[in-house]
Amino acid sequence: EPEVTQTPSHQVTQMGQEVILRCVPISNHLYFYWYRQILGQKVEFLVSFYNNEISEKSEIFDDQFSVERPDGSNFTLKIRSTKLEDSAMYFCASSEESDNEQFFGPGTRLTVL
Amino acid sequence: RKEVEQDPGPFNVPEGATVAFNCTYSNSASQSFFWYRQDCRKEPKLLMSVYSSGNEDGRFTAQLNRASQYISLLIRDSKLSDSATYLCVVTTNTGNQFYFGTGTSLTVIP
Repeated sequence: EPEVTQTPSHQVTQMGQEVILRCVPISNHLYFYWYRQILGQKVEFLVSFYNNEISEKSEIFDDQFSVERPDGSNFTLKIRSTKLEDSAMYFCASSEESDNEQFFGPGTRLTVL
Repeated sequence: RKEVEQDPGPFNVPEGATVAFNCTYSNSASQSFFWYRQDCRKEPKLLMSVYSSGNEDGRFTAQLNRASQYISLLIRDSKLSDSATYLCVVTTNTGNQFYFGTGTSLTVIP
Protein backbone atom coordinates (compact mmCIF):
# COMPACT_ATOMS: atom_id res chain seq x y z
CA GLU A 1 0.00 0.00 0.00
CA PRO A 2 1.50 3.36 -0.99
CA GLU A 3 2.37 5.67 1.85
CA VAL A 4 3.83 9.08 2.59
CA THR A 5 7.34 8.93 3.99
CA GLN A 6 9.24 11.59 5.94
CA THR A 7 12.84 12.07 6.96
CA PRO A 8 14.35 12.46 9.43
CA SER A 9 12.10 11.02 12.10
CA HIS A 10 13.69 13.28 14.71
CA GLN A 11 15.71 16.45 14.21
CA VAL A 12 17.45 18.33 17.00
CA THR A 13 18.78 21.79 16.20
CA GLN A 14 20.05 24.93 17.88
CA MET A 15 17.92 28.06 17.91
CA GLY A 16 18.68 30.21 14.87
CA GLN A 17 19.75 27.31 12.67
CA GLU A 18 18.08 26.35 9.42
CA VAL A 19 16.35 22.99 9.08
CA ILE A 20 14.93 21.17 6.09
CA LEU A 21 12.28 18.54 6.61
CA ARG A 22 11.76 16.11 3.77
CA CYS A 23 8.74 14.26 2.54
CA VAL A 24 7.98 11.87 -0.30
CA PRO A 25 4.25 12.06 -1.06
CA ILE A 26 2.27 9.21 -2.59
CA SER A 27 3.36 9.04 -6.21
CA ASN A 28 0.09 9.75 -8.05
CA HIS A 29 -1.01 12.49 -5.66
CA LEU A 30 -1.05 16.09 -6.85
CA TYR A 31 -1.74 18.06 -3.67
CA PHE A 32 0.76 18.34 -0.85
CA TYR A 33 0.49 19.77 2.64
CA TRP A 34 2.46 20.49 5.77
CA TYR A 35 0.93 20.50 9.23
CA ARG A 36 2.43 20.84 12.67
CA GLN A 37 1.36 19.56 16.07
CA ILE A 38 2.85 21.04 19.21
CA LEU A 39 2.92 18.45 21.99
CA GLY A 40 -0.49 18.13 23.59
CA GLN A 41 -2.16 20.45 21.10
CA LYS A 42 -4.19 20.03 17.94
CA VAL A 43 -2.91 19.50 14.44
CA GLU A 44 -2.49 22.89 12.70
CA PHE A 45 -2.39 23.60 8.98
CA LEU A 46 0.72 25.31 7.63
CA VAL A 47 0.58 25.25 3.83
CA SER A 48 -0.89 23.52 0.80
CA PHE A 49 0.95 23.14 -2.51
CA TYR A 50 -0.27 22.31 -5.99
CA ASN A 51 1.19 22.63 -9.45
CA ASN A 52 4.50 23.90 -8.07
CA GLU A 53 3.04 26.75 -6.11
CA ILE A 54 1.50 27.48 -2.75
CA SER A 55 -2.30 27.25 -2.81
CA GLU A 56 -2.99 28.39 0.73
CA LYS A 57 -1.02 29.14 3.83
CA SER A 58 -1.88 29.88 7.43
CA GLU A 59 -0.74 32.70 9.68
CA ILE A 60 1.83 30.34 11.16
CA PHE A 61 3.55 30.05 7.78
CA ASP A 62 5.49 33.32 7.93
CA ASP A 63 8.63 34.42 6.08
CA GLN A 64 10.75 31.96 8.05
CA PHE A 65 9.04 29.07 6.29
CA SER A 66 9.28 27.95 2.70
CA VAL A 67 8.33 24.88 0.71
CA GLU A 68 9.77 23.38 -2.41
CA ARG A 69 9.30 20.44 -4.72
CA PRO A 70 12.89 20.14 -5.94
CA ASP A 71 12.27 17.07 -8.10
CA GLY A 72 9.45 14.73 -9.08
CA SER A 73 9.25 12.97 -5.76
CA ASN A 74 10.39 15.12 -2.83
CA PHE A 75 8.49 17.89 -1.05
CA THR A 76 10.42 19.89 1.53
CA LEU A 77 9.70 22.34 4.32
CA LYS A 78 12.48 24.74 5.25
CA ILE A 79 12.58 26.78 8.43
CA ARG A 80 15.19 29.48 7.97
CA SER A 81 16.00 30.50 11.52
CA THR A 82 14.43 28.19 14.04
CA LYS A 83 12.89 29.43 17.27
CA LEU A 84 12.19 27.53 20.46
CA GLU A 85 8.47 27.65 19.69
CA ASP A 86 9.03 25.80 16.40
CA SER A 87 9.53 22.63 18.42
CA ALA A 88 6.71 20.35 17.29
CA MET A 89 5.85 17.32 15.22
CA TYR A 90 5.67 18.23 11.55
CA PHE A 91 3.43 16.12 9.35
CA CYS A 92 3.47 16.01 5.58
CA ALA A 93 0.31 14.91 3.79
CA SER A 94 -0.82 14.34 0.23
CA SER A 95 -4.07 13.84 -1.63
CA GLU A 96 -5.17 12.94 -5.15
CA GLU A 97 -7.54 15.84 -5.43
CA SER A 98 -8.25 18.95 -3.45
CA ASP A 99 -11.00 18.27 -0.94
CA ASN A 100 -10.22 14.53 -0.81
CA GLU A 101 -8.97 12.59 2.14
CA GLN A 102 -5.36 13.37 2.95
CA PHE A 103 -2.79 10.73 3.79
CA PHE A 104 -0.27 11.65 6.42
CA GLY A 105 3.36 10.70 6.81
CA PRO A 106 4.75 9.49 10.15
CA GLY A 107 6.04 12.95 11.01
CA THR A 108 9.34 14.59 11.91
CA ARG A 109 9.77 15.54 15.53
CA LEU A 110 11.68 18.84 15.59
CA THR A 111 13.35 19.88 18.81
CA VAL A 112 14.85 23.36 18.96
CA LEU A 113 17.30 23.94 21.82
CA ARG B 1 -14.59 31.22 17.43
CA LYS B 2 -12.85 27.90 16.83
CA GLU B 3 -13.26 26.38 13.37
CA VAL B 4 -13.93 22.92 14.79
CA GLU B 5 -14.97 22.10 18.33
CA GLN B 6 -14.93 18.73 20.00
CA ASP B 7 -15.42 17.52 23.54
CA PRO B 8 -11.88 16.47 24.54
CA GLY B 9 -13.16 13.76 26.88
CA PRO B 10 -11.65 11.52 28.07
CA PHE B 11 -14.18 8.83 27.41
CA ASN B 12 -13.46 5.64 29.34
CA VAL B 13 -15.79 2.84 28.29
CA PRO B 14 -15.86 -0.94 28.81
CA GLU B 15 -15.29 -3.35 25.97
CA GLY B 16 -18.46 -3.90 24.00
CA ALA B 17 -19.94 -0.51 24.82
CA THR B 18 -21.35 1.94 22.31
CA VAL B 19 -19.85 5.42 22.38
CA ALA B 20 -20.67 8.57 20.44
CA PHE B 21 -18.55 11.62 19.69
CA ASN B 22 -19.82 14.95 18.48
CA CYS B 23 -18.24 17.82 16.66
CA THR B 24 -19.41 21.25 15.52
CA TYR B 25 -17.89 23.45 12.85
CA SER B 26 -18.20 27.17 12.23
CA ASN B 27 -17.84 27.61 8.47
CA SER B 28 -21.12 26.85 6.72
CA ALA B 29 -19.25 26.75 3.38
CA SER B 30 -17.11 23.78 4.42
CA GLN B 31 -17.15 21.12 1.76
CA SER B 32 -15.82 17.87 3.14
CA PHE B 33 -15.78 16.19 6.50
CA PHE B 34 -13.74 13.35 7.94
CA TRP B 35 -13.00 11.43 11.08
CA TYR B 36 -9.36 10.56 11.68
CA ARG B 37 -7.86 8.63 14.54
CA GLN B 38 -4.52 9.39 16.11
CA ASP B 39 -2.59 7.06 18.33
CA CYS B 40 -0.14 8.52 20.82
CA ARG B 41 2.75 10.27 19.04
CA LYS B 42 1.66 8.91 15.65
CA GLU B 43 0.25 10.50 12.54
CA PRO B 44 -3.49 11.00 11.97
CA LYS B 45 -5.00 8.11 10.01
CA LEU B 46 -8.22 8.32 8.07
CA LEU B 47 -11.06 6.49 9.78
CA MET B 48 -13.84 7.51 7.44
CA SER B 49 -15.23 10.27 5.31
CA VAL B 50 -18.57 11.73 6.34
CA TYR B 51 -21.30 12.03 3.73
CA SER B 52 -24.48 14.07 3.85
CA SER B 53 -26.65 10.98 3.87
CA GLY B 54 -24.68 9.40 6.69
CA ASN B 55 -22.46 6.39 6.22
CA GLU B 56 -21.42 3.25 7.98
CA ASP B 57 -18.24 1.22 7.94
CA GLY B 58 -18.50 -1.88 10.05
CA ARG B 59 -18.88 -0.81 13.67
CA PHE B 60 -18.49 2.87 12.82
CA THR B 61 -21.30 5.20 11.76
CA ALA B 62 -20.83 8.84 10.80
CA GLN B 63 -23.54 11.46 10.46
CA LEU B 64 -23.52 14.99 9.11
CA ASN B 65 -26.10 17.67 9.82
CA ARG B 66 -25.31 20.64 7.61
CA ALA B 67 -28.13 22.77 8.97
CA SER B 68 -26.77 22.48 12.51
CA GLN B 69 -23.13 22.28 11.36
CA TYR B 70 -22.70 19.13 13.39
CA ILE B 71 -20.87 15.86 12.78
CA SER B 72 -21.04 12.70 14.82
CA LEU B 73 -19.25 9.37 15.09
CA LEU B 74 -20.79 6.30 16.68
CA ILE B 75 -18.66 3.31 17.61
CA ARG B 76 -20.52 0.11 18.43
CA ASP B 77 -19.12 -2.94 20.24
CA SER B 78 -15.95 -1.09 21.33
CA LYS B 79 -12.68 -3.02 21.15
CA LEU B 80 -9.50 -2.43 23.12
CA SER B 81 -7.86 -1.46 19.83
CA ASP B 82 -10.30 1.43 19.43
CA SER B 83 -8.43 3.30 22.20
CA ALA B 84 -7.08 6.43 20.51
CA THR B 85 -7.82 10.10 19.98
CA TYR B 86 -10.56 10.74 17.41
CA LEU B 87 -10.13 13.86 15.31
CA CYS B 88 -12.97 15.68 13.62
CA VAL B 89 -11.70 17.27 10.40
CA VAL B 90 -13.41 19.86 8.21
CA THR B 91 -12.13 21.35 4.99
CA THR B 92 -12.32 24.98 3.94
CA ASN B 93 -14.64 25.97 1.12
CA THR B 94 -11.66 25.76 -1.23
CA GLY B 95 -10.88 22.29 0.03
CA ASN B 96 -7.21 23.13 0.29
CA GLN B 97 -6.74 22.88 4.00
CA PHE B 98 -7.97 20.74 6.82
CA TYR B 99 -9.16 22.19 10.10
CA PHE B 100 -8.69 19.73 12.92
CA GLY B 101 -10.56 19.59 16.16
CA THR B 102 -8.58 19.12 19.34
CA GLY B 103 -9.63 15.48 19.37
CA THR B 104 -11.63 13.29 21.72
CA SER B 105 -9.71 10.76 23.76
CA LEU B 106 -11.19 7.27 24.02
CA THR B 107 -9.95 4.50 26.28
CA VAL B 108 -11.64 1.12 26.06
CA ILE B 109 -11.25 -0.80 29.28
CA PRO B 110 -11.14 -4.61 29.48
